[in-house]
Order: sequence, then C-alpha cells, then structure tokens
Amino acid sequence: NAGVTQTPKFQVLKTGQSMTLQCAQDMNHNSMYWYRQDPGMGLRLIYYSASEGTTDKGEVPNGYNVSRLNKREFSLRLESAAPSQTSVYFCASSFERGADGYTFGSGTRLTVV
Amino acid sequence: AQSVTQLDSQVPVFEEAPVELRCNYSSSVSVYLFWYVQYPNQGLQLLLKYLSGSTLVKSINGFEAEFNKSQTSFHLRKPSVHISDTAEYFCAVNGNTGFQKLVFGTGTRLLVSP
Repeated sequence: NAGVTQTPKFQVLKTGQSMTLQCAQDMNHNSMYWYRQDPGMGLRLIYYSASEGTTDKGEVPNGYNVSRLNKREFSLRLESAAPSQTSVYFCASSFERGADGYTFGSGTRLTVV
Repeated sequence: AQSVTQLDSQVPVFEEAPVELRCNYSSSVSVYLFWYVQYPNQGLQLLLKYLSGSTLVKSINGFEAEFNKSQTSFHLRKPSVHISDTAEYFCAVNGNTGFQKLVFGTGTRLLVSP
C-alpha cells in the first residue's frame, strides 16, 4: 500500500545508547517531517525537510539529528538517548503547498530506560 | 505564524448523541484547515479539510466542520456518534501560500460510551 513506512515500530534503549529511526514514503512528496507525541502535548515538530537536500529545525530539535537521504527517505537519529526522549515518534510527508495535508506513518514507540 | 487552540482535552458522550469538538485558530494570512483522527495505537489520518469555497466540509463517515472566518473557528460536529468514533481528534492549520508547516492543536479525546 502507498504511504509512509516507519521502522522500527517499538524500541527500548538504555540511557546513552544511539539509534536511527527510518522513514520512507512512496507518494512522490517533496516535504517530510518528524514529530513526537507526548500525553497532553499534542504533536511537536522535531525536524523537517521542505525539499530534497534541505533540513531545518522544528520546535524541539535538541538531542536529535536528521538526514534526508533522498526524496523518499528521511531518518531521525538519537545520538545519546535520554529518558526525556521516551515518546511516540511519527514521520509524515506532504507536497510543498500542503493543501492535501500530511500523510503519517504508523509511529515508533520508543522507551529510554 | 499560526496557532491552534482545542480547549476541550476530553469529551465524553453517549452513543447516538450529537457531539461538537471545538477548534479555534489564529493566523495573519489565509489558511488551510484540517481535522485529523487518531485511533488507539495508530498514526493520524486525515478526516476532512477546508481549502476554499463552501465553508461546510464533510467526511465520508458523517463528520462535518464549518469554517467561520469571523470567529476564527473550525468546529467538528457529528449528529449521532458511534462507539467506533472513540479516538483522539486533532485540529491543524497552515498558511495557504508557499511552503508552510502544519500547526497542530493539543487534541481532544472523544470517549463514546453505550
């Protein structure tokens, strides 16, 4: 099925470990996004890529890095995981104008112990 | 820049009753408005959207929302809810020119009980 694919779906890390969350879309979208979702706080933008070759910080970028590998793929890296990064992470994609809204992946539930 | 306010964090309602989920936004430019739904342990799905034209927009499963420019609102309504409508609902807004990031509200959890 066309859409946004995220891997892994679940992950448990120890404090200080690193990991990369993968995201790929097959809708020929220009723009891609990483959000985190925490209870009572809605979705907060971590990083985004308006188009291939560009990345920019969102609302809560500290402790994260991203790579727009190509038009399809946008990865999120935690270099040294902290308990405060326990969250559900969503990747999304869209055309630049945004009139069609965003298409979201099914999420990665990350626990840092 | 835009912002979205969803004042109700949770709305309990009985099955077959009507429901309204409130959304207010602020923006200095013309906007696109969206409602997303998130079922338990799933990602967000687009429910409906307002881009231009008719201020009343409808989804395929009976929800509707009305864009009110003077009140800067985009409330979501359904005349008769089902148990299966239990989910979290997010209102979102972005500007309608150039590249604009979607700004989300904090969500409203709709709890439908028998």
